[in-house]
Amino acid sequence: EVQLVESGGGLVQPGGSLRLSCVGSGFTFGIYEMNWVRQAPGKGLEWVSYISSVGGTIYYADSVKGRFTVSRDNDKNSLYLQMKDLRVEDTGTYYCARDGSVAAAGYEYWGEGTLVAVSS
Amino acid sequence: DIQLTQSPSFLSASVGDRVTITCRASQDISKYLVWYQQKPGKAPKLLIYAASTLQSGVPSRFSGSGSGTEFSLTISSLQPEDSATYYCQQLNSVPRGFSFGPGTKVDI
Repeated sequence: EVQLVESGGGLVQPGGSLRLSCVGSGFTFGIYEMNWVRQAPGKGLEWVSYISSVGGTIYYADSVKGRFTVSRDNDKNSLYLQMKDLRVEDTGTYYCARDGSVAAAGYEYWGEGTLVAVSS
Repeated sequence: DIQLTQSPSFLSASVGDRVTITCRASQDISKYLVWYQQKPGKAPKLLIYAASTLQSGVPSRFSGSGSGTEFSLTISSLQPEDSATYYCQQLNSVPRGFSFGPGTKVDI
């Protein structure tokens, strides 16, 4: 069974940093592209970042570019999101999501999310 | 950046109704559009990819159509469990990103 489990969320002050992790199991982690998607409380989905299967290609939403860094460790079946200079508007649930088996097939599997709260 | 709009933003319908949600892209995205269903407190669920391909395990009452800038998601016979928010997402805008539409809440 495919599983994605996020961790690392919590309460942080504006300007602070946080590192999110996502561990995958039940599939060959290293052959799949991965993404981070977030959702502010009561709001819609916002794509945050993409990383290719071996980490050679990375994209970010303009709203986080220069502040967030995505990475992965395929030996540990893990995806990471290093977040710095956090803002109140970064508050929300952060999901990791795995691409489908076919190109441009959307995000077939999602974790349950980890909550990030940025507040003073 | 490619912007997605969805209409309506909210709809209320009855069990058995046929409902259609529209997603429009600000520029041509070919068929690089997917649809998700999200229920409160849960992660989104993939319904349709490549604009019209039904994801494995998704009931056949869901269907998608369109290409270019205009797309639609249709539920042929609404069921109580279809009460959710539906999002479209474009996967065409490399490297600017893969934006989501604002969502359509379906109430039954």
